[in-house]
Amino acid sequence: GNSVTQMEGPVTLSEEAFLTINCTYTATGYPSLFWYVQYPGEGLQLLLKATKADDKGSNKGFEATYRKETTSFHLEKGSVQVSDSAVYFCAPYGGSQGNLIFGKGTKLSVKP
Amino acid sequence: DVKVTQSSRYLVKRTGEKVFLECVQDMDHENMFWYRQDPGLGLRLIYFSYDVKMKEKGDIPEGYSVSREKKERFSLILESASTNQTSMYLCASSPLGGGANVLTFGAGSRLTVL
Repeated sequence: GNSVTQMEGPVTLSEEAFLTINCTYTATGYPSLFWYVQYPGEGLQLLLKATKADDKGSNKGFEATYRKETTSFHLEKGSVQVSDSAVYFCAPYGGSQGNLIFGKGTKLSVKP
Repeated sequence: DVKVTQSSRYLVKRTGEKVFLECVQDMDHENMFWYRQDPGLGLRLIYFSYDVKMKEKGDIPEGYSVSREKKERFSLILESASTNQTSMYLCASSPLGGGANVLTFGAGSRLTVL
């Protein structure tokens, strides 16, 4: 089945720093790819997605590009804010009735 | 604007007790899921359901069962709670079609088993 490897955290950055969280996956075919974010005390919510190769998902200043050559979907943001402090999960589609395969999560802390 | 509601945010139970975790969605979604979230392990799928009275085992179904009697409600049951089931439990739903469909999550239920 599909699987995902995500950069381990925690990641601590200063405000306005550049962020990259690496994500690679193994899959049969070309599954849709997702990034979810979990703010403290909350459930997960969709951050962005890409459904085919070379697609770029973007939201709230975050971007990720579907790279089939490297089977990667790295999350980037040019200038992080304190409010971006959260746990980020990379998740390829699992191939069964809408299930997603979640990475272990990367905790991001942004300091003022 | 609440779409997936988990009735209990925090529960404390004793070993051997029967525990029910309830999840209700108001989006008329066909698919519903139960995950558990543990530090360093991420989210792991316990069970999912793609229709009323239908259920499929996920990656870690041992010690759990589920019930889906109505489309909007998906219950997770711990028949005899154990300390290793202390965790955060997350319910999610999505429309039929898999693939690119987005999962909508509830806020989570944090269960402590003493």
